[in-house]
Amino acid sequence: NAGVTQTPKFQVLKTGQSMTLQCAQDMNHNSMYWYRQDPGMGLRLIYYSASEGTTDKGEVPNGYNVSRLNKREFSLRLESAAPSQTSVYFCASSEAHRNQPQHFGDGTRLSIL
Amino acid sequence: QKEVEQNSGPLSVPEGAIASLNCTYSDRGSQSFFWYRQYSGKSPELIMSIYSNGDKEDGRFTAQLNKASQYVSLLIRDSQPSDSATYLCAGGYQKVTFGIGTKLQVIP
Repeated sequence: NAGVTQTPKFQVLKTGQSMTLQCAQDMNHNSMYWYRQDPGMGLRLIYYSASEGTTDKGEVPNGYNVSRLNKREFSLRLESAAPSQTSVYFCASSEAHRNQPQHFGDGTRLSIL
Repeated sequence: QKEVEQNSGPLSVPEGAIASLNCTYSDRGSQSFFWYRQYSGKSPELIMSIYSNGDKEDGRFTAQLNKASQYVSLLIRDSQPSDSATYLCAGGYQKVTFGIGTKLQVIP
């Protein structure tokens, strides 16, 4: 039972570099989410995808792009990384009729210097 | 002001006691509420959901919802050291918003 798998687990970038965080789920869930978690701020929704082929902005979408490649995969791209994007990033998924994340990946710890 | 408010704690309780975690929300249209547990360095885990006024019990956990007071709580009976974690409250209508989490420490 893999659940939600995120790669990489850790990453250090320099300001201005780009990278893509990968997420895949094997539970046949329709909905997928990307969150960031910062001390004192809690979990904040970056983007979500209610179904394959659709994506919507969350609370903090600026500086990010997403792709729902297929039902299993939902990637998050930082085009030009900034120190303010240093955070822990979580991908999550849920069944179609739910509006909240049910299963989270282990997270990606991203530092931008 | 965040839509979902929690005291960050830490809340310290002795082993075997009842831990009471509280959460308030500002959006009266919110219909769904959830509690997640997050161990240090780990990802959140959904432990309870509640949709209507009153209490919902699951083992040692009881979620309480009072929509008139815009208040959600989580009670943990017979607290164990393994319950030491941060508890995230989340609520909303079409999309949920998370509180900052309350850190619970259960003292042996």
